Amino acid sequence: KAGVTQTPRYLIKTRGQQVTLSCSPISGHRSVSWYQQTPGQGLQFLFEYFSETQRNKGNFPGRFSGRQFSNSRSEMNVSTLELGDSALYLCASSHPTGYSMRNEQFFGPGTRLTVL
Amino acid sequence: GNSVTQMEGPVTLSEEAFLTINCTYTATGYPSLFWYVQYPGEGLQLLLKATKADDKGSNKGFEATYRKETTSFHLEKGSVQVSDSAVYFCALSQDSNYQLIWGAGTKLIIKP
Repeated sequence: KAGVTQTPRYLIKTRGQQVTLSCSPISGHRSVSWYQQTPGQGLQFLFEYFSETQRNKGNFPGRFSGRQFSNSRSEMNVSTLELGDSALYLCASSHPTGYSMRNEQFFGPGTRLTVL
Repeated sequence: GNSVTQMEGPVTLSEEAFLTINCTYTATGYPSLFWYVQYPGEGLQLLLKATKADDKGSNKGFEATYRKETTSFHLEKGSVQVSDSAVYFCALSQDSNYQLIWGAGTKLIIKP
């Protein structure tokens, strides 16, 4: 099985622009989660989607949004970019059993976003 | 709220030394606990997990036991190798919360 893929792998944007990141989960996985990783804040949860529904959202401003499509692929969008949005954005997929989050999450390689 | 605390790094050891990375958590109920590892230049991958009290997760010589009474999930390995050099993350999840809550990560450096 192919792993979780994320595109693009690297992005350079300037302040005020917007960006869209894409994630393709492992085939058959219906849950997709997004995380932001920075040296200062570590790993922080952004949102989780299951069957096109956002089930939880982390403590990020409304500039951060996401969606999931019927084929489970997911996108996240950041509008009005700020310098502090520079980070590695990680996508993870899993095959949850009901409401359980006990199953392993499989991570993609991430998208490295640099905001100048 | 829920949180995970793990020991600050970097941790530097010689090859074949014994490893312990401490992890404690704060959560209501019975969370599931995980250790993930991030090798240089690679993505995060699950190392081991435990989903109920007194469970022991193990993989690649690493072990961790879910201790409800001390709210801990310390990672141990009896004899580390240079190839174990990586960043290790402790994390928890709870049913119906749909997210992983992470510790800060501990960088492990193994010298030959």
